[in-house]
Amino acid sequence: NAGVMQNPRHLVRRRGQEARLRCSPMKGHSHVYWYRQLPEEGLKFMVYLQKENIIDESGMPKERFSAEFPKEGPSILRIQQVVRGDSAAYFCASSPTAGGIDEQYFGPGTRLTVT
Amino acid sequence: KNQVEQSPQSLIILEGKNCTLQCNYTVSPFSNLRWYKQDTGRGPVSLTIMTFSENTKSNGRYTATLDADTKQSSLHITASQLSDSASYICVVSGTNAGKSTFGDGTTLTVKP
Repeated sequence: NAGVMQNPRHLVRRRGQEARLRCSPMKGHSHVYWYRQLPEEGLKFMVYLQKENIIDESGMPKERFSAEFPKEGPSILRIQQVVRGDSAAYFCASSPTAGGIDEQYFGPGTRLTVT
Repeated sequence: KNQVEQSPQSLIILEGKNCTLQCNYTVSPFSNLRWYKQDTGRGPVSLTIMTFSENTKSNGRYTATLDADTKQSSLHITASQLSDSASYICVVSGTNAGKSTFGDGTTLTVKP
C-alpha cells in the first residue's frame, strides 16, 4: 500500500507565477489535510477536504490560495501570483475517517521556493 | 481557543542518554493525542497515538504518557541514538470533525 504521495518534491517559481501542488492520499483514504511549514517553524493547518468538498479552510489565506479534492485524481493546492513569503514546505496528510480520530499519514512534502 | 504547547523548544543531549519532552494542551473536548517524529526535510511520522483512557504507550525506545486530568503528555526517549535527532511534534485532536491542533515541536539534537 503506497503511502501519501506528493509532487513535485521541489518547485521553484518566480514572483507572480502560479504554483500547483499535488497530493495523492493513501488508498482507501478520503480525507485530505494540507499544512504549511515555514522555515524554522512548526506545521500550520491550512485546509481539510473530503472528496469534492472543502470541510474546513480556516487556515487558508483569504487570497491567492485555493484547494480542491475532485472525485477523481489528486488533491490540488493552488497558489496564484506567488510571493517570496510563500516559500515553505507544504505537507499533505490523509486519513481514512474524519475528525482527527484516526492517525493522519503525511506525505514527504513539496518545497516551494519563490525567487 | 485550542492550544498545544511543547517544551523545551530545543534540546541537546549526548548519545546514550535519556530525555523527556513535554506537551501541554487545552483542546476540549479531547479525542486523542499523537506524537510525531519529523526528520529534517521529511514529512512527520507517527510514533504513538493515545486516547482518553490510555495513560502510557510505548513504541520501542519511545514511551508516551498522558494525563487527561492535567492535560499533559510527555514523550520519553531511552538510550538515545544519533538517529533520534529530529523535531518531535505533539498533536491533539478534539471530537469535532476537522483539523487537529499541532504544537510547534521540540528540536532534539543527539551528539556523539
